[in-house]
Amino acid sequence: KNEVEQSPQNLTAQEGEFITINCSYSVGISALHWLQQHPGGGIVSLFMLSSGKKKHGRLIATINIQEKHSSLHITASHPRDSAVYICAVGSNTGNQFYFGTGTSLTVIP
Amino acid sequence: DSGVTQTPKHLITATGQRVTLRCSPRSGDLSVYWYQQSLDQGLQFLIQYYNGEERAKGNILERFSAQQFPDLHSELNLSSLELGDSALYFCASSSEGRRTDTQYFGPGTRLTVL
Repeated sequence: KNEVEQSPQNLTAQEGEFITINCSYSVGISALHWLQQHPGGGIVSLFMLSSGKKKHGRLIATINIQEKHSSLHITASHPRDSAVYICAVGSNTGNQFYFGTGTSLTVIP
Repeated sequence: DSGVTQTPKHLITATGQRVTLRCSPRSGDLSVYWYQQSLDQGLQFLIQYYNGEERAKGNILERFSAQQFPDLHSELNLSSLELGDSALYFCASSSEGRRTDTQYFGPGTRLTVL
């Protein structure tokens, strides 16, 4: 069973397009994290959410605790946004972390 | 640069062998996390330490063990290696070890078991 589901698995967009990546989870959480993994393998934390919405530059992340769903939006996408985006949740029981399988985004110039 | 260092970058070894991966957290961070990323299973949480004590355990095999030392660096020991242990192993650190902390990831150690 997968505690965290992401969609889509793969996404190709034209430069400038608005992009949405979705994450659904089935466990009770303390926090939800969005991570970015570059083609070279390095992982960077983009957002930590426990409620509401956060914005950083062209990236916006939202979470709906009741529906157990989060979205990551990228406005005015750029080729440098090409990466794998991973949703992760920190459970509120057992101190566990669960990861989605990632969304591979390619932005074409 | 996240401030988290991992050594070695690459490790190639044979089945049945034992290896040690090392992680130094960001200055001031008390908590260290270990993750395994394989092609077929994605990222998996292995174990977390906070200020030298084990705080949480995930999908860590009995053949694997870890510890965090007084200077806060951590080591992950993998023994009786199998082909399926080939993966990227990431270490991350955070300030307080809470689920709400931002984690800073190291560059990873790529382990290949032949």
